[in-house]
Amino acid sequence: GESVGLHLPTLSVQEGDNSIINCAYSNSASDYFIWYKQESGKGPQFIIDIRSNMDKRQGQRVTVLLNKTVKHLSLQIAATQPGDSAVYFCAESQGGSEKLVFGKGTKLTVNP
Amino acid sequence: DTEVTQTPKHLVMGMTNKKSLKCEQHMGHRAMYWYKQKAKKPPELMFVYSYEKLSINESVPSRFSPECPNSSLLNLHLHALQPEDSALYLCASSETPMNTEAFFGQGTRLTVV
Repeated sequence: GESVGLHLPTLSVQEGDNSIINCAYSNSASDYFIWYKQESGKGPQFIIDIRSNMDKRQGQRVTVLLNKTVKHLSLQIAATQPGDSAVYFCAESQGGSEKLVFGKGTKLTVNP
Repeated sequence: DTEVTQTPKHLVMGMTNKKSLKCEQHMGHRAMYWYKQKAKKPPELMFVYSYEKLSINESVPSRFSPECPNSSLLNLHLHALQPEDSALYLCASSETPMNTEAFFGQGTRLTVV
């Protein structure tokens, strides 16, 4: 399953499928990006980050892709599990800035 | 210890009350942040403290007053709040103020009545 990011705030997938969550950022000067997972009633939890000198970074079951040309970020989750159900936010930081700005978020629901 | 601890978890206060939210981290982080999050919205930055000094105030109303007593503690003093200030208030910290991973606490759910 795939979200089109900021304009489609929900994504529903079957357990075991791969999920793709998209994020468009607006500030071309942003050079550091983080994906957070937020479960209901909890604070955001770090998933993975990437700096602008990279196009791809992999973690455990997650991959982040960065396309600076079109200012697009995506989070791929392999073999999605029910425990992955949450709201996912991308966040960006501009070089030299102390601000971490969050995107609108996508709610991922994993159906067993 | 990789935790950011916030107290209280829940707070109900009247519009004439004065209360404080507290945040603590023992990771040696030198940047601390306050965010406000309304339901189904992303966290919005309120304040940034860098090396115990206020470095960013995102035009937050003066009824919110931050304080950083030392490098491990961050407070948010609340006075004369409005019902629309009801939200989840999140504290975060990062090793340095720029371009590093920020760790978040579980938040304080504030209700203003």
